[in-house]
Amino acid sequence: GESVGLHLPTLSVQEGDNSIINCAYSNSASDYFIWYKQESGKGPQFIIDIRSNMDKRQGQRVTVLLNKTVKHLSLQIAATQPGDSAVYFCAEKGGNDYKLSFGAGTTVTVRA
Amino acid sequence: NAGVTQTPKFQVLKTGQSMTLQCAQDMNHEYMSWYRQDPGMGLRLIHYSVGAGITDQGEVPNGYNVSRSTTEDFPLRLLSAAPSQTSVYFCASTRGVRTGLTGNYGYTFGSGTRLTVV
Repeated sequence: GESVGLHLPTLSVQEGDNSIINCAYSNSASDYFIWYKQESGKGPQFIIDIRSNMDKRQGQRVTVLLNKTVKHLSLQIAATQPGDSAVYFCAEKGGNDYKLSFGAGTTVTVRA
Repeated sequence: NAGVTQTPKFQVLKTGQSMTLQCAQDMNHEYMSWYRQDPGMGLRLIHYSVGAGITDQGEVPNGYNVSRSTTEDFPLRLLSAAPSQTSVYFCASTRGVRTGLTGNYGYTFGSGTRLTVV
């Protein structure tokens, strides 16, 4: 079946630097994408989302970019902080239902 | 407003035992779903429901049953536990209604149930 995947399983970032987490998806019918953050022992927490009719959306310290031409999604975290250390997942929703498909996740470690 | 509540948080079962993982939401969400998460992997969809009385299979449904008698509750039943079902289980819900061009579907996850089958 079609799925969402992340390019790198781990990312180490210096505190204060910007982080970029990438995700590739294969379902061209997907119309909605979400980035989740999961801390150890907790459930996924919503970070930011974007619809397929947009190519960029900004939140507090986070920006999501969507490139439908190459089916690529990215999450940018500005001024990365120790509290940003977590596993980050991208998820996509197909056009005709509410099921979410998840990538394998990227573990972000922030170095002090 | 509690969101999505899962019980128990931890459970150890012996092979062949059955049990029910509970999930309840108080947001009047139409859509509810169960995922399992295994080490180094993303979340995989087990079963989902688009409303009371309606359920369907996800990506990995074998060995699990669900029912949706009310909007609020969506229990997951393990019929005969196997070591391969050792995992962390998450329940999620969404309002299932479009909220405009920039609105989100409000997917909310519970805190998970860590299940070990020995």
